[in-house]
Amino acid sequence: DVVVTQSPLSLPVTLGQPASISCRSSQSLVYSDGNTYLSWFQQRPGQSPRRLIYKVSNRDSGVPDRFSGSGSGTDFTLKISRVEAEDVGLYYCLQGTHWPQSFGQGTKVEIK
Amino acid sequence: EVQLVESGGGLVQPGGSLRLSCAASGFTFTTSSMHWVRQVPGKGLVWLSLINPEGTNTSYADSVKGRFTISRDNAKNTLYLQMNNLRAEDTAVYYCAKDSYGCGDYWGQGSLVTVSS
Repeated sequence: DVVVTQSPLSLPVTLGQPASISCRSSQSLVYSDGNTYLSWFQQRPGQSPRRLIYKVSNRDSGVPDRFSGSGSGTDFTLKISRVEAEDVGLYYCLQGTHWPQSFGQGTKVEIK
Repeated sequence: EVQLVESGGGLVQPGGSLRLSCAASGFTFTTSSMHWVRQVPGKGLVWLSLINPEGTNTSYADSVKGRFTISRDNAKNTLYLQMNNLRAEDTAVYYCAKDSYGCGDYWGQGSLVTVSS
């Protein structure tokens, strides 16, 4: 099975400053159709998860453009250009290329 | 408006069974793959299972393979998760999620399953 590893697991950030989360997979996430099924999710305290990014770099509807995704193969990154108070929560990456699908361990973003 | 509403959670004894339901509305259920994901309170997300739109192809995490069965009734716009031989470690909030270029463009509110004697 594919192992997905996120870092860091805890990320204290200053309001207005950028933040970056890494996601690495144990195998390439390029699928046979040429797409790479790597998504990013945000989970605010007490809420269901919300998808931010799909297929590495595509923002879901309504997601602020301060969130961006990048990467290829086995190495991926979620960036927040300027952290706002509402961005506090847990962030997960998910690989959907290989079955069974698998989430990273999660990264807790908090304000310094 | 897309809505996913889980139901069927509750308290069950070890070794018991439970069936979760996820009622879908606001989108074309019959053309959407669907997922189940769980989360132990205070812990991370764990992907469990996927079913294709026709209900003919399924996939499971190793931790639930052989004990859990995903299914769907397209006439009722409802997704199911039959859970048998439940263990204490299955205690979690269970989410259904819609697929669009991957898991989870929409999620339900979750249903808590507690396995305890």
